[in-house]
Amino acid sequence: DIVMTQSPDSLAVSLGERATINCKSSQSVLYSSNNKNYLAWYQQKPGQPPKLLIYWASTRESGVPDRFSGSGSGTDFTLTISSLQAEDVAVYYCQQYYNNTPTFGQGTKLEIK
Amino acid sequence: EVQLVESGGGVVQPGGSLRLSCAASGFIFSNYWMTWVRQAPGKGLEWVATLKRDGSEKYYVDSVKGRFTISRDNAKTAMYLQMNSLRAEDTAVYYCARVGNGGHAGYWGQGTLVTVSS
Repeated sequence: DIVMTQSPDSLAVSLGERATINCKSSQSVLYSSNNKNYLAWYQQKPGQPPKLLIYWASTRESGVPDRFSGSGSGTDFTLTISSLQAEDVAVYYCQQYYNNTPTFGQGTKLEIK
Repeated sequence: EVQLVESGGGVVQPGGSLRLSCAASGFIFSNYWMTWVRQAPGKGLEWVATLKRDGSEKYYVDSVKGRFTISRDNAKTAMYLQMNSLRAEDTAVYYCARVGNGGHAGYWGQGTLVTVSS
C-alpha cells in the first residue's frame, strides 16, 4: 500500500497569514501516461463529511475559494491557504488514488493563532 | 443537485452483521464508480471499498476483505455495504461517496454511525 504522511500534525496560523500543509507519499503517484498526479486534498469541519478541495494535485474543485491551492508532483505535495480565514479552521487530509486502493494521510488540524 | 444519503447504521454485537445503504440522486448513478470511507471516533479517514460503474470490479481495504461486500443496484440508484463478522474496530461513521474521473471523492453523504459493542 502507498503510505501518505502529512506534516505537521497540527498548525496554528494568524488570520490573514499563509498556511502550508505538506503531504508525502511512499511512492510516486504520478502516472507517466497522462502526466497526472493522483492526489487530492479534503477539508473536514467538525460534524461534517469531508469536502473535496483539490484533485490532480493542483486542480481546484468548483466553488472552492482561490486562496486554496495545491502544488507538487511525484511524492511531495503541498496545500497552501494564502490568507487564512476563520472559516478555514478544519482538519485537512491528502489522499492518493494512484491505484484501486486509495489511502489517506493522517490529517492536519488547522487552528487560528 | 447531487445527494447521497446513507442509512442502516446502528449498534451491533461483535460477530454480528449490518447492511448499509446509500441512496443516490441528482446524477446518472450508473456513470460513476462509488466508494465507502469510514472514520472511527476522533480518528482520520480510512477508505473501505470501491465499486465500478457496472459492479464488475470491487476493491477492499485488507482489514475488511472476506467480511464486507460492496454492491450496487443501478436501477434503484443505490449502493450497499454488507458487513459481517463485525469487530469493535469497525466502529465508525461510514460515508458513501461518488468517485470522480481518476478516483477522487467529489461528493459525500452525511454518514451513518456503526457501533460494534457488547
